[in-house]
Amino acid sequence: AQSVAQPEDQVNVAEGNPLTVKCTYSVSGNPYLFWYVQYPNRGLQFLLKYITGDNLVKGSYGFEAEFNKSQTSFHLKKPSALVSDSALYFCAVSPLRNDMRFGAGTRLTVKP
Amino acid sequence: DTGVSQNPRHKITKRGQNVTFRCDPISEHNRLYWYRQTLGQGPEFLTYFQNEAQLEKSRLLSDRFSAERPKGSFSTLEIQRTEQGDSAMYLCASSSEAGQRTEYFGPGTRLTVT
Repeated sequence: AQSVAQPEDQVNVAEGNPLTVKCTYSVSGNPYLFWYVQYPNRGLQFLLKYITGDNLVKGSYGFEAEFNKSQTSFHLKKPSALVSDSALYFCAVSPLRNDMRFGAGTRLTVKP
Repeated sequence: DTGVSQNPRHKITKRGQNVTFRCDPISEHNRLYWYRQTLGQGPEFLTYFQNEAQLEKSRLLSDRFSAERPKGSFSTLEIQRTEQGDSAMYLCASSSEAGQRTEYFGPGTRLTVT
């Protein structure tokens, strides 16, 4: 079955420290991979995506993600976390261009 | 503001009633998507339009759910004979063909079925 897993419900980091939000997937073929962020009372916002090419993808607000085909992972990273990064983060996979699968989300809390 | 808009933002209905939600995509986007999101879960893909053609509808949750995009602009999602289990946030998103499925989401319509 095609699926996306975000193994951590919650990630806590201190402001200024690096952060990683994990995502693994199980789909066939060469999927598109995405990260979205959801702030309270706001809609989902696109952060970044991997289509093809360089395995390290840079996105909005200083975030980046590393595509690892052998580990079927697409972890979201940021070198220095901000309190304002606190939000709900979703990994998504588009295995076929007419479909999109989201993970259950990881709540990131950055403490001052 | 030229983002994706959804109306109404909140809908409370009694079980068994029909409800219809509207989505207005970003004007130059030809692709439109509907999702459902329940508490503590990620969005669940329901259906997808390219212009007025509904290219994927096998993921609609039951035959009580239907969607239209008659002129390739706005779209409606209808739920007939609502059930309490239909209570959720219904999200609409749009993308351009060149955007390689970079989707822009609306604020959602929260449905409560009593």
